[in-house]
Amino acid sequence: DAGVIQSPRHEVTEMGQEVTLRCKPISGHNSLFWYRQTMMRGLELLIYFNNNVPIDDSGMPEDRFSAKMPNASFSTLKIQPSEPRDSAVYFCASRQTAYQETQYFGPGTRLLVL
Amino acid sequence: QKEVEQDPGPLSVPEGAIVSLNCTYSNSAFQYFMWYRQYSRKGPELLMYTYSSGNKEDGRFTAQVDKSSKYISLFIRDSQPSDSATYLCAMSAKSDGYSTLTFGKGTMLLVSP
Repeated sequence: DAGVIQSPRHEVTEMGQEVTLRCKPISGHNSLFWYRQTMMRGLELLIYFNNNVPIDDSGMPEDRFSAKMPNASFSTLKIQPSEPRDSAVYFCASRQTAYQETQYFGPGTRLLVL
Repeated sequence: QKEVEQDPGPLSVPEGAIVSLNCTYSNSAFQYFMWYRQYSRKGPELLMYTYSSGNKEDGRFTAQVDKSSKYISLFIRDSQPSDSATYLCAMSAKSDGYSTLTFGKGTMLLVSP
């Protein structure tokens, strides 16, 4: 079975530009999570969805960040406008149901904002 | 005080050594405990999963949970260079059927041949 798929794997952009990160969860999984990982702060939960509905977005740092899940097989995380402090590795993870704890992570998108 | 504390390391050991990795936590509601392994430039992958207190063994890996002390451990026996990675502990507490994971920052392990 294919794991969680993320694209792009690497993104270099300039401050002020819009960045869109994409995620395809494992087929049949009902929960999807977006995380950000930095050396200073570790792995931080940004937002998560159950059955395509956003459940908790309290980790989204500010209004420049938005996430959507239009269907069960696709989600996007958008940053507009991007800033250098957004540079991090962004992970998407999926979980089979809301009543399980185990999450399966994608390979991540390494974002650098110049 | 952070909810989950984990020594960042690096922890350097020779091949064949027994490794002990640890996390402490403050939220007594946590009852599901996991260890994830993350290789450089890769996503975290689930290594061990335990519920409540006790031990769980899987090959060279043993996970221990002591809820009374709010302390969890991962032991690696006969460590190999391929075990070199960052190990993240994660934990959750059930809440209305929806749970999220709280992660430690990870401990970097280096196993030298």
